[in-house]
Amino acid sequence: NAGVTQTPKFQVLKTGQSMTLQCAQDMNHNSMYWYRQDPGMGLRLIYYSASEGTTDKGEVPNGYNVSRLNKREFSLRLESAAPSQTSVYFCASSAQGVQYFGPGTRLTVT
Amino acid sequence: RKEVEQDPGPFNVPEGATVAFNCTYSNSASQSFFWYRQDCRKEPKLLMSVYSSGNEDGRFTAQLNRASQYISLLIRDSKLSDSATYLCVVRAGNTPLVFGKGTRLSVIA
Repeated sequence: NAGVTQTPKFQVLKTGQSMTLQCAQDMNHNSMYWYRQDPGMGLRLIYYSASEGTTDKGEVPNGYNVSRLNKREFSLRLESAAPSQTSVYFCASSAQGVQYFGPGTRLTVT
Repeated sequence: RKEVEQDPGPFNVPEGATVAFNCTYSNSASQSFFWYRQDCRKEPKLLMSVYSSGNEDGRFTAQLNRASQYISLLIRDSKLSDSATYLCVVRAGNTPLVFGKGTRLSVIA
C-alpha cells in the first residue's frame, strides 16, 4: 500500500498563477484533509471532506478551493496564488480518529 | 485561549535521559487524544494514542488527566533517534483533530 500520496513534491509559482495540488489515498478511508504548516504556526486545517461528496471549511480556507473527486482523491486548488500561501501543504486521510499524512508539497509563491 | 497548548521547547537532553512533555487542552468535550511525531521536513506520524488509564509503548508512556485537561508523554532512556517534534492532538466527537504546535526535542550524544 502506498498510503497517502501527494503531487507535486515541490512547486514554485508566481503571484497570480493557479495550480492544483493532488492527493490520493489507497486505504479506503472516508475522511480526507488538507493542512498547511508554517514555521511557528503548527498545522492549520484548510478544508476537509468527511465523506465522498462533502467538503467543509477548516480554520484557514480563504484563497483555496477543494474537490473530492471520488473516495480516493481530494485536490486543493489555488486560484490566484499569493506570497502568503508559501507553505508546506499536507494531505491526510483518517480512520477511527487516526490520521495518516502524505509526504507534503513545498510551495513557494514569489 | 488556544485549543491545544504545548511548550515549544526546545528540550535539549543527553542520551539516556528521561524527558516529559505536557500538553493542555481547552475543550472539555474532547474524547480522543494522541501524540504524533514529526521529523524535520517530514510528515507527522502517529506515535501513540492516549487512553484514560494511561498506556505504555516501550520507552514511551502517555497519560491523560481529564480533570485538569492535560496529557503527558514520558520518554525514558532517550535515544538520538528520538530527536523530533512531538505534537499533542485532541478530538471532540467526530470533529477534525486539533493539533498543538509541537514540542521540539533534541537528544544530544
